[in-house]
Amino acid sequence: EAQVTQNPRYLITVTGKKLTVTCSQNMNHEYMSWYRQDPGLGLRQIYYSMNVEVTDKGDVPEGYKVSRKEKRNFPLILESPSPNQTSLYFCASTTTPSYNEQFFGPGTRLTVL
Amino acid sequence: SQKIEQNSEALNIQEGKTATLTCNYTNYSPAYLQWYRQDPGRGPVFLLLIRENEKEKRKERLKVTFDTTLKQSLFHITASQPADSATYLCALDGAGGFKTIFGAGTRLFVKA
Repeated sequence: EAQVTQNPRYLITVTGKKLTVTCSQNMNHEYMSWYRQDPGLGLRQIYYSMNVEVTDKGDVPEGYKVSRKEKRNFPLILESPSPNQTSLYFCASTTTPSYNEQFFGPGTRLTVL
Repeated sequence: SQKIEQNSEALNIQEGKTATLTCNYTNYSPAYLQWYRQDPGRGPVFLLLIRENEKEKRKERLKVTFDTTLKQSLFHITASQPADSATYLCALDGAGGFKTIFGAGTRLFVKA
């Protein structure tokens, strides 16, 4: 089944404790992206990657890191999480971003205490 | 700055009626616009894409219009059903498609 998977689905952590949210797609997509979703603000792009080893900042990259060492994986790293990073996170992928739909993962609900 | 506005208030309609959702944008000239459906606790799911040179697009009970002069898209669900109850997101992209901008979504409730 073609899909985007994320792990973990739920995570409660404390301020400053490094964490990684994994994202994997099995559709051989070149483009992958991370979003965060907050009430009233919609989905906001954190980082995106056009291919292996090619990443760029979205609209809200502060406090986040990403890497793209393999085509199928695009982990999101929070080196020192803070409470304002409490949010619902989605990973998405598409074959080429132009004029194509994005496929979203199921989401990761992160709470930083 | 670029801005997308969708009705923040929920839309309540009766089963069988047509639901119309609005997406307005400012300070942007998108090459295309997309609509997604999102159910509680799940990721958005793609519904329709319309290009800047297209006025209207249809798919089964769904219809999208795109008016680049008014900077507005309308999303219609005809013969609505309770199963159509969800949040609907509007998204804009430039030609490159690298930086998609999403609206906050409109919650639709269809009552039986």
